[in-house]
Amino acid sequence: AQSVSQHNHHVILSEAASLELGCNYSYGGTVNLFWYVQYPGQHLQLLLKYFSGDPLVKGIKGFEAEFIKSKFSFNLRKPSVQWSDTAEYFCAVNAGTTDSWGKLQFGAGTQVVVTP
Amino acid sequence: DTEVTQTPKHLVMGMTNKKSLKCEQHMGHRAMYWYKQKAKKPPELMFVYSYEKLSINESVPSRFSPECPNSSLLNLHLHALQPEDSALYLCASSQDIFAGQGYEQYFGPGTRLTVT
Repeated sequence: AQSVSQHNHHVILSEAASLELGCNYSYGGTVNLFWYVQYPGQHLQLLLKYFSGDPLVKGIKGFEAEFIKSKFSFNLRKPSVQWSDTAEYFCAVNAGTTDSWGKLQFGAGTQVVVTP
Repeated sequence: DTEVTQTPKHLVMGMTNKKSLKCEQHMGHRAMYWYKQKAKKPPELMFVYSYEKLSINESVPSRFSPECPNSSLLNLHLHALQPEDSALYLCASSQDIFAGQGYEQYFGPGTRLTVT
């Protein structure tokens, strides 16, 4: 069964600091990879996704992520965070087998707190 | 319009009650999903509907009964729930379920369910 692990459960950093959140998955076949964000009191929103092509993907709000197939990783980065980036961040994977189509497996999430 | 709507926002029910959660999307998506999310945890997939047919049931107890009356609407019927079923129930939709195409899931705001 596929699994998704996020390295940090809780991150606290100051405004303007750089952010990197780690995500590793266990499935070795074709994967679709996503980062979702859940701001306080709001619904889950897609930050970015990868399914083919350039392994460096850019998303909304200045976020980017790099897919490294050999490391089974899809790490999220932002060069300079703002207070409004305080949120829960989830990495999610959908594996490319017919019996898992539609199954989005989420990591445990990382709570990011940005202090002014 | 990229919105998934869910009603009600909050629901309190007793263990002998029967209630239903409703989800609607008007994006022309052919896949719809139910997730359960406990506090400080990632969403857990419950059901997947593809072209109005149940595609995946993640071994969910029969006290949860999904229904997809048409391609825009998804219901979750609840009966004889337990207090441990209290959670945020999320609905999502996507263009399709085929992996390898990067179809992202759009999430609704959820229904906060409390079982007393």
